Amino acid sequence: DQQVKQNSPSLSVQEGRISILNCDYTNSMFDYFLWYKKYPAEGPTFLISISSIKDKNEDGRFTVFLNKSAKHLSLHIVPSQPGDSAVYFCAAKAMGSYVGGSEKLVFGKGTKLTVNP
Amino acid sequence: DAGVTQSPTHLIKTRGQQVTLRCSPKSGHDTVSWYQQALGQGPQFIFQYYEEEERQRGNFPDRFSGHQFPNYSSELNVNALLLGDSALYLCASSLVETQYFGPGTRLLVL
Repeated sequence: DQQVKQNSPSLSVQEGRISILNCDYTNSMFDYFLWYKKYPAEGPTFLISISSIKDKNEDGRFTVFLNKSAKHLSLHIVPSQPGDSAVYFCAAKAMGSYVGGSEKLVFGKGTKLTVNP
Repeated sequence: DAGVTQSPTHLIKTRGQQVTLRCSPKSGHDTVSWYQQALGQGPQFIFQYYEEEERQRGNFPDRFSGHQFPNYSSELNVNALLLGDSALYLCASSLVETQYFGPGTRLLVL
């Protein structure tokens, strides 16, 4: 059973427009969410995160919105640039009691974003 | 500040062989997690090491084992390789909430 779902395998947008990537989750214990970007032949690069106590977090062109009641989050990229073309992964982790470090991440299957010049 | 490094970058093995992958965490990070990414899928959690002990494990068989050294670097060992073990193996290090990934090791099992 997939706990983190990215239902759009791909998305294509024009340079300068907004890109919206969506993610749904099923586990109510998830309390921290992250977005990663991945280029071919590279590891995932951390983009932005949000804690469940917030509903929005912004970092430059990237904004993540969290709707806990709908168990839905989205990543907005404004304006989109050709260099943003990559696969974007949504990841979530559950509340834990470990000292230091982090609970394991549960990933979606990714959305391939293509930004056309 | 060096990020997470992994070696080797690529590896080709045959079924039944054993493989060891290596990871050096980001400076100051004490926790190392390993993930397997199959083609077209998101990374799947294998296990996590903290203070030289495995403290979380995903749904992977005992053929997958690991180790963490006093300098926080880590190894992933896979025994009795199967064709289905062909994947990108990612190491991530963390100190608190956010995990930072290395470039991965691409393993091909023939």
